[in-house]
Amino acid sequence: QVLLVESGGGVVQPGGSLRLSCAASGFTFSSYGMHWIRQAPGRGLEWVAFIASNGIKNDYADSVKGRFTISRDNARRTLYLQVKSLRVEDTAVYYCAKDQGLSEYEQFDYWGQGALVTVSS
Amino acid sequence: AIRMTQSPSSLSASTGDRVTITCRASQDISTYLAWYQQKPGKAPKLLIYAASTLQSGVPSRFSGSGSGTDFDLTISCLQSEDFATYYCQQYYNYPRTFGQGTKVEI
Repeated sequence: QVLLVESGGGVVQPGGSLRLSCAASGFTFSSYGMHWIRQAPGRGLEWVAFIASNGIKNDYADSVKGRFTISRDNARRTLYLQVKSLRVEDTAVYYCAKDQGLSEYEQFDYWGQGALVTVSS
Repeated sequence: AIRMTQSPSSLSASTGDRVTITCRASQDISTYLAWYQQKPGKAPKLLIYAASTLQSGVPSRFSGSGSGTDFDLTISCLQSEDFATYYCQQYYNYPRTFGQGTKVEI
């Protein structure tokens, strides 16, 4: 079955950096677009970043552009999110999620369990 | 960015009730709309996509309708396991955007 497992969360000071990972199994990882979506404590869902199946095309929310970098290693079946210049408002659970199909217009059919990033001094 | 507005933000209901949640997009998104259910401490779960297509394994008491800018999620006969927060999301363009959520409470 499809499984997405995030890791790499933790507590970091404002201005700090972190790399989140999402290990995928149960599907042909290299065929699907992947996303990061976050949820601040007690708040709603916010889409963060997208990367195409071949890793060439990507897109970011304005709130993270220039600070976060999405990447993937299809050989290792792993998605990454490098986060830099962290702010208190980046505190959230970060979920990875996969596109359901192969088109440009896809919903998220599987989500990981989430990794908590806490930005605090 | 396309703004997604859900109403109500919360609602109180009882098991067996019929419940409808509304989602409005700030521009035409055709039927590129999904609905998710989220329970506390859990990841969201896809319920409906393409505005009205039920995801595999989702009970038939869930249904979706709409196109363009106005969409509905209906739960025909609320069960205890349906008490959760529901989000709409557009995938017409980037950035992908979600509604603010509707909490369905007892």
